[in-house]
Amino acid sequence: KAGVTQTPRYLIKTRGQQVTLSCSPISGHRSVSWYQQTPGQGLQFLFEYFSETQRNKGNFPGRFSGRQFSNSRSEMNVSTLELGDSALYLCASSLPYNSPLHFGNGTRLTVT
Amino acid sequence: GENVEQHPSTLSVQEGDSAVIKCTYSDSASNYFPWYKQELGKGPQLIIDIRSNVGEKKDQRIAVTLNKTAKHFSLHITETQPEDSAVYFCAASATGTASKLTFGTGTRLQVTL
Repeated sequence: KAGVTQTPRYLIKTRGQQVTLSCSPISGHRSVSWYQQTPGQGLQFLFEYFSETQRNKGNFPGRFSGRQFSNSRSEMNVSTLELGDSALYLCASSLPYNSPLHFGNGTRLTVT
Repeated sequence: GENVEQHPSTLSVQEGDSAVIKCTYSDSASNYFPWYKQELGKGPQLIIDIRSNVGEKKDQRIAVTLNKTAKHFSLHITETQPEDSAVYFCAASATGTASKLTFGTGTRLQVTL
């Protein structure tokens, strides 16, 4: 069974631009969550989508948004990029209702 | 909100020895506690998890213990091997779902020959 797939693996953007990251969950998993990982703040929860609806949200500004499609694939978007948005963005999928998260290998975003 | 503290930040053990990593959490409503292993260039991989209705869980060389009264849980790795070298994260969920995890700051485990 294929794992969580995130594309692209690496991105370099300029401050002020926007970026879209993509995530394909494990087959059969309908919940997709996004996390940001930085050396300073560690792993932080961004949001979770289930059945195309945002079910939970972390404490990030509105520049961070996401969506989920009917096939459970998900995208997250960051607008007006700031230098501090440089991070590893991790997507995780799970079966609904109290099931463990399975992470992808992430997208490394660098903002210059 | 939930706060998870993890110690130590680095741990070096000799091959064959045991390793113990400890975490404490603040929210008494937390009921799900997974542990993840992250290798360089990869995402976190779930290695074991425990729910608040269980005090201990074991899977081969890995075990996790939970003390709800003291609000702490620990990861125990026995007979460590070089391939156990990685960063380990504990986490807690206080929302009733496993998706909104609060992570500890990580422990870099190095197993030396």
